[in-house]
Amino acid sequence: AQSVSQHNHHVILSEAASLELGCNYSYGGTVNLFWYVQYPGQHLQLLLKYFSGDPLVKGIKGFEAEFIKSKFSFNLRKPSVQWSDTAEYFCAVNARSGGSNYKLTFGKGTLLTVNP
Amino acid sequence: DTEVTQTPKHLVMGMTNKKSLKCEQHMGHRAMYWYKQKAKKPPELMFVYSYEKLSINESVPSRFSPECPNSSLLNLHLHALQPEDSALYLCASSFLGLETQYFGPGTRLLVL
Repeated sequence: AQSVSQHNHHVILSEAASLELGCNYSYGGTVNLFWYVQYPGQHLQLLLKYFSGDPLVKGIKGFEAEFIKSKFSFNLRKPSVQWSDTAEYFCAVNARSGGSNYKLTFGKGTLLTVNP
Repeated sequence: DTEVTQTPKHLVMGMTNKKSLKCEQHMGHRAMYWYKQKAKKPPELMFVYSYEKLSINESVPSRFSPECPNSSLLNLHLHALQPEDSALYLCASSFLGLETQYFGPGTRLLVL
């Protein structure tokens, strides 16, 4: 079974600081990788995804992530955060889970607090 | 349009009540999911329907009963729940199992 590890439980930054959130997964086969964001009081929204091709993927609101296969990592980055980026960020891995079934497994999440 | 709708938004029920949660999507997705999310925790998969057939049950207690009447609708029937079942229940859908899942806003359930 796959597992996802997010390195930081809570990150506090000031506006304009750079952001990098770590994510590592364990699974030996093909995976699709995602970052979801959950703003306070709102539902889960897709930030970006990686299926194949260029390992550097760009998402909404200036976020990007890099897939490094050899490190089983999919870290999220943003050069300059804003107060509105305050939210919970979840890394997720979608992989085969027996037969023809697939399962999306989430990391425990990282709460990002951006101070104005 | 990547919208998944869920009703009701909030639900309060007693331990002897029977209630149902409803989820709907009109994106032509053939896989639909129920997740449970406790406060400050990630979503936990409960059930997966693929082509209207139950394909994954993550050992969920029988007091939760899913139903997929057609390819656009997903229900979760609740009966004799416990206070620890209080949580945000999320529905999601995707074209196929490995594709992007789109989440609804959730139903916030309180069991008294």
